[in-house]
Amino acid sequence: DTGVSQNPRHKITKRGQNVTFRCDPISEHNRLYWYRQTLGQGPEFLTYFQNEAQLEKSRLLSDRFSAERPKGSFSTLEIQRTEQGDSAMYLCASSLAPGTEETQYFGPGTRLLVL
Amino acid sequence: DQQVKQNSPSLSVQEGRISILNCDYTNSMFDYFLWYKKYPAEGPTFLISISSIKDKNEDGRFTVFLNKSAKHLSLHIVPSQPGDSAVYFCAASARNYGQNFVFGPGTRLSVLP
Repeated sequence: DTGVSQNPRHKITKRGQNVTFRCDPISEHNRLYWYRQTLGQGPEFLTYFQNEAQLEKSRLLSDRFSAERPKGSFSTLEIQRTEQGDSAMYLCASSLAPGTEETQYFGPGTRLLVL
Repeated sequence: DQQVKQNSPSLSVQEGRISILNCDYTNSMFDYFLWYKKYPAEGPTFLISISSIKDKNEDGRFTVFLNKSAKHLSLHIVPSQPGDSAVYFCAASARNYGQNFVFGPGTRLSVLP
């Protein structure tokens, strides 16, 4: 399968713990995005990378969140000192850019539940 | 402030009929629009897109219409099939101002056999 993959698919943690999610994009894609989706809402942009450079971060991304893409391939999203409000689906997407009509391809997501 | 709105949370359509999903946006800088479909426990899947230089784009059973003056786009599915039952998200981006997509809240389509 050459699509976007995310691990783990599900994560249950206690409030205050740290969690880390991984995303493996489509291999030739140079852009990688992280989104958060809560019930009844569409995906909300968190941050994105072009190759290894993190080019933009949303105001939604508090100091407890950090993302890396060290070699321009896979990416990790870490949440420190988790809070119940962090419970959501975390989606990763990748694309090939620049292009006049960029299309982002999504992974299956990691569902986080903070107890 | 929602920049992309999908005012119908749900829609039910009989199999074989047309499904019309609507999307409104407020940011006049948006110049590229996409529709994604999402099944439970899966990530969104790209369906079809349209650039602001066009007013219609067709791909098989799916057609997207864009009305820039009304800041409105719609997705037509003809004929609707039970496998089309999913949540549909409209997304928009302002390519000259960054590549980030802004998503609407989604419309749940149920196609009844």
